[in-house]
Amino acid sequence: AQKVTQAQTEISVVEKEDVTLDCVYETRDTTYYLFWYKQPPSGELVFLIRRNSFDEQNEISGRYSWNFQKSTSSFNFTITASQVVDSAVYFCALSVSGGYNKLIFGAGTRLAVHP
Amino acid sequence: KAGVTQTPRYLIKTRGQQVTLSCSPISGHRSVSWYQQTPGQGLQFLFEYFSETQRNKGNFPGRFSGRQFSNSRSEMNVSTLELGDSALYLCASSWAGATNEKLFFGSGTQLSVL
Repeated sequence: AQKVTQAQTEISVVEKEDVTLDCVYETRDTTYYLFWYKQPPSGELVFLIRRNSFDEQNEISGRYSWNFQKSTSSFNFTITASQVVDSAVYFCALSVSGGYNKLIFGAGTRLAVHP
Repeated sequence: KAGVTQTPRYLIKTRGQQVTLSCSPISGHRSVSWYQQTPGQGLQFLFEYFSETQRNKGNFPGRFSGRQFSNSRSEMNVSTLELGDSALYLCASSWAGATNEKLFFGSGTQLSVL
């Protein structure tokens, strides 16, 4: 069975602080994909990043960076110099081969960035 | 390019009724999937359709059903509504529903069952 755990339910930071959102996954499949989505108050989930199980290279996109470590089954997300617009719920998700868009989501982490 | 469109945005029903939700995917996308989001259970996969065929189904009772039309638009139906069906129902589309595809989500239909 597959499972995604986001232990942090809510995080509150002040603008310009760095913040890391944790994600731990479980799967016995050797081929899988990990995702991060952002859900603003409007409701729709917005894709942020995708990683496959064979690519452990970390990625940086502007203020966002992701650290994928198979040894600890983690796929953590860091926002550098947070801004108020980063306030949202962030979801980590897992998909495995043959799933046809079946994503297993973590419970989400609500991030509040205060001015 | 228009995004994923879901209608209606809000819906209020009473127990025992049935409801139909609609989803129009991004033009060219042939895979449509549905998710239920509740505070208690989080985001859960309902089912996925591609070329009018259901290819995958989550762990939901038979009261939850869906279909996809030849133009890729999709509907989901919930019969004999229960209070626990109150949720945000999200539709997502992608080109082919492959495991590695990113999904484009609509803003959802907020269903309240009284």
